Amino acid sequence: DAEITQSPRHKITETGRQVTLACHQTWNHNNMFWYRQDLGHGLRLIHYSYGVQDTNKGEVSDGYSVSRSNTEDLPLTLESAASSQTSVYFCASSKGDVGELFFGEGSRLTVL
Amino acid sequence: GQNIDQPTEMTATEGAIVQINCTYQTSGFNGLFWYQQHAGEAPTFLSYNVLDGLEEKGRFSSFLSRSKGYSYLLLKELQMKDSASYLCAALDSNYQLIWGAGTKLIIKP
Repeated sequence: DAEITQSPRHKITETGRQVTLACHQTWNHNNMFWYRQDLGHGLRLIHYSYGVQDTNKGEVSDGYSVSRSNTEDLPLTLESAASSQTSVYFCASSKGDVGELFFGEGSRLTVL
Repeated sequence: GQNIDQPTEMTATEGAIVQINCTYQTSGFNGLFWYQQHAGEAPTFLSYNVLDGLEEKGRFSSFLSRSKGYSYLLLKELQMKDSASYLCAALDSNYQLIWGAGTKLIIKP
């Protein structure tokens, strides 16, 4: 069955360290997204991609970067982790402009 | 600015009906989504409305009024497993999803 997987599921790191969260989907979807979810906030878009070599900034992109070298993967990198980046991160993919989003199981990141 | 409003928390009784409201203000509009999210899990798609009216899918129905910027999710015959957060999201003119903070639904026996 097609799926979307994230790793690691849980990570604790220190302020200033570089962290990469992996996202891999097997639906062959062109569109991939990274969100963060914090209490009291809706899902907030960090970065997104509409295809290979395409990346775009979302509303909370500062301190994050992504790359899209193939259809299946969209890794999210925190260049220098900050305590404000402690959150649950969700990767998602969709088929088209109005397609439903399929979410990964989430990655809980704690920055100490 | 763009904004989605939905109640923070609601409580209902097993077997009853509950309506979760959502109002939206977006730059353009290309549809309204509802997602369900159980605690500690990923959101999962429930419904999509782009035209005015009611869409029924089993025990769940979703309604949209574009002129009022309003939607609701109706859950019938509530079961304990319906305890979850329900996320409302509007698709704006750039096909970007604007998300509400979610409504936590507590089901009591």
